[in-house]
Amino acid sequence: AQSVAQPEDQVNVAEGNPLTVKCTYSVSGNPYLFWYVQYPNRGLQFLLKYITGDNLVKGSYGFEAEFNKSQTSFHLKKPSALVSDSALYFCAVRPSSNTGKLIFGQGTTLQVKP
Amino acid sequence: NAGVTQTPKFQVLKTGQSMTLQCAQDMNHNSMYWYRQDPGMGLRLIYYSASEGTTDKGEVPNGYNVSRLNKREFSLRLESAAPSQTSVYFCASSPERVGPYGYTFGSGTRLTVV
Repeated sequence: AQSVAQPEDQVNVAEGNPLTVKCTYSVSGNPYLFWYVQYPNRGLQFLLKYITGDNLVKGSYGFEAEFNKSQTSFHLKKPSALVSDSALYFCAVRPSSNTGKLIFGQGTTLQVKP
Repeated sequence: NAGVTQTPKFQVLKTGQSMTLQCAQDMNHNSMYWYRQDPGMGLRLIYYSASEGTTDKGEVPNGYNVSRLNKREFSLRLESAAPSQTSVYFCASSPERVGPYGYTFGSGTRLTVV
């Protein structure tokens, strides 16, 4: 079965330190990869996506993600965390087959402490 | 542009009551989706509509019905609400059923069934 795993329920990091939120997937073919962020009492907002090309993708709010095909991973990164980055982050994968629907991970809560 | 608009934002129902959650998008998207979000469960797909005139079941369709009224609007109906349907409901849309497109989400409806 196709799936997306976010192995950490919560990631804690100090403000100013680099952060990584992990995502691995099990999807056949060459899927499209996404990260979304959800602030409290809000809907999911698009951060970035990987379609093809350069393995390092840059997105909103200074976030970037690194695609690694051999490890089937798409980790979200930021060089210097802000307290305002504290939120719930979802990795999502969209198969390139004709089923097409986004498959979401369970989400990782990022807590950035001052 | 409003994007995806959901109404109402909050609702309290008594067990057995019915209600319809409304969703409208103004991006000319073909595909629309209904999710529920529960703590520790991530996002679960209830129903989706790949294109105007079609609807299909997702992971957790029991107790729900949907109507794709036109290209813009996709409603979710609870015929006889149960406490297990207490959740936050999100509507989303995508340009096409397949392809390198993410979803645009509404801001959610917080439903409590007592």
